Amino acid sequence: NAGVTQTPKFQVLKTGQSMTLQCAQDMNHNSMYWYRQDPGMGLRLIYYSASEGTTDKGEVPNGYNVSRLNKREFSLRLESAAPSQTSVYFCASRLDREAGELFFGEGSRLTVL
Amino acid sequence: QQPVQSPQAVILREGEDAVINCSSSKALYSVHWYRQKHGEAPVFLMILLKGGEQKGHDKISASFNEKKQQSSLYLTASQLSYSGTYFCGTETHQKVTFGTGTKLQVIP
Repeated sequence: NAGVTQTPKFQVLKTGQSMTLQCAQDMNHNSMYWYRQDPGMGLRLIYYSASEGTTDKGEVPNGYNVSRLNKREFSLRLESAAPSQTSVYFCASRLDREAGELFFGEGSRLTVL
Repeated sequence: QQPVQSPQAVILREGEDAVINCSSSKALYSVHWYRQKHGEAPVFLMILLKGGEQKGHDKISASFNEKKQQSSLYLTASQLSYSGTYFCGTETHQKVTFGTGTKLQVIP
């Protein structure tokens, strides 16, 4: 079972470049989330999608856009990368609010020079 | 707004107990607890729903005080495998936000 798959796992960008982080889950989950993790800051919610066709801002949405392409896929786009976006990005999914448990991908390490 | 966790770090000897606290200023639907090992993704420990009971498995349990919007994670008779960073996640309206984490180190 693949679970939650994130691509790429590592990426180096120059300031101003754009890129998309891909996330796909094969568990038929309804809700999907994007977090970033920085030292001492814990996990901060960027965007989430409670169900297919909906997306909402989290705590730190500035500089990011998301697309819930279908039930399986939830992508995160950086239109013009900045050094402050250097971080480890985690995608997570869950069946629904009642099930509760979030399943995380392995993470994507992004460096912006 | 992130929930507040305490302590930020704790060192235990094998067999000792620890309590990690989590508080929020918002009315919560649920509280989640996760453990993360270095270089890995967070792993689910348990969830406490509003109106639910205290939960636990093995030597790890948790409680949720709905009136105070506070939760505590209890680790008893700690083992080396308990080392890692513990995060509480608080949920309102499908949004799950995490605290800054508690780094737990268990030494022999």
